[in-house]
Amino acid sequence: AQKITQTQPGMFVQEKEAVTLDCTYDTSDPSYGLFWYKQPSSGEMIFLIYQGSYDQQNATEGRYSLNFQKARKSANLVISASQLGDSAMYFCAMRENDKLSFGAGTTVTVRA
Amino acid sequence: DAGVIQSPRHEVTEMGQEVTLRCKPISGHNSLFWYRQTMMRGLELLIYFNNNVPIDDSGMPEDRFSAKMPNASFSTLKIQPSEPRDSAVYFCASSLAFRLVVNEQFFGPGTRLTVL
Repeated sequence: AQKITQTQPGMFVQEKEAVTLDCTYDTSDPSYGLFWYKQPSSGEMIFLIYQGSYDQQNATEGRYSLNFQKARKSANLVISASQLGDSAMYFCAMRENDKLSFGAGTTVTVRA
Repeated sequence: DAGVIQSPRHEVTEMGQEVTLRCKPISGHNSLFWYRQTMMRGLELLIYFNNNVPIDDSGMPEDRFSAKMPNASFSTLKIQPSEPRDSAVYFCASSLAFRLVVNEQFFGPGTRLTVL
């Protein structure tokens, strides 16, 4: 069964606008972590943001924020004020114990 | 600060040859992970080590794949014999594994393997 689901294969966003990337997850473990990684065309994987399952507040890191809805098992990433350099593939991942499971990814293209 | 180091960055080999991928984790990190990324299957965890001990190798595709971590600063992933379907980008990642903290995984630049 798929543990992480990203339903948007690709998205276009206008520069300076916000974009929301969807992520839903499936687990019965009460303790888990949710991550978002960015993979630009150069191929490296860049950690963006983390949300722990017990965290009461939504995580924020600069222009990145995570909309964590625990009851719905969703952890959407919001990128505000998009920049051309945000064009990349974005992966949602869930950690159970020490293992990360990745979604299929969403390609974001920022238009000038 | 040096991140995760992988070598080689690119490898082209012929079917049947042995391939060895190398990884040096971030100093002080106690968990190391090997992933494979393909268009068809996305990012898959192959194996991970904690304190140099293999913890879970359920993602290793078959006996042709093996991984070792002889010490805290070095790991290898070996494919013998290699096949064209092994062509992928192989990532190594490391983390400082404690429960209930972020302990995000830091990824190396990857090794792009092409098996002809």
